[in-house]
Amino acid sequence: GQNIDQPTEMTATEGAIVQINCTYQTSGFNGLFWYQQHAGEAPTFLSYNVLDGLEEKGRFSSFLSRSKGYSYLLLKELQMKDSASYLCAASDSNYQLIWGAGTKLIIKP
Amino acid sequence: NAGVTQTPKFRVLKTGQSMTLLCAQDMNHEYMYWYRQDPGMGLRLIHYSVGEGTTAKGEVPDGYNVSRLKKQNFLLGLESAAPSQTSVYFCASSYTLGGQLGAGELFFGEGSRLTVL
Repeated sequence: GQNIDQPTEMTATEGAIVQINCTYQTSGFNGLFWYQQHAGEAPTFLSYNVLDGLEEKGRFSSFLSRSKGYSYLLLKELQMKDSASYLCAASDSNYQLIWGAGTKLIIKP
Repeated sequence: NAGVTQTPKFRVLKTGQSMTLLCAQDMNHEYMYWYRQDPGMGLRLIHYSVGEGTTAKGEVPDGYNVSRLKKQNFLLGLESAAPSQTSVYFCASSYTLGGQLGAGELFFGEGSRLTVL
């Protein structure tokens, strides 16, 4: 079957760095997405990786290893506004998105 | 910049009642989707559309119907609501399927919170 695994909840300190991991098993693979979702709001797109390696976008970076079925989202210089859920999703052979349950990130002062 | 707009934002139904959720997008996207989001679970695709006049079933289509009569609108109907359909519903649109031609990221509406008693 197809599956996405990510931690349910993580806690980090303002100003620090946090890494949110995601492992996936899909029938075929056409890329890995990260979305941010603040409580009570809609998900918003953060990043897309289809090739191995690290993609950097400001304070956020996303990494992909296709051979390991593994990705992570790295958030640097954490701010209180980064408190949100982070959703990992993989695109399968039919370009259908398989979603993880999300990682709730709690930032403490 | 409206993007994706959903109505209503909140609704309470009694078991057996029917209702329609409306979704409109102004980005000229071909692809539109209806998802439901439940605590502890990932987004689950109910139905989707690859263009005006077309619809297809997603992962959890039972108990729902959809229509895409105009490119900018995608309607989700519940003919006979059940408590198991209590959820937050998100409409989304994209210019392509995820990963088909680049990212094809989804643009989501603000969500519709439905409670079925």
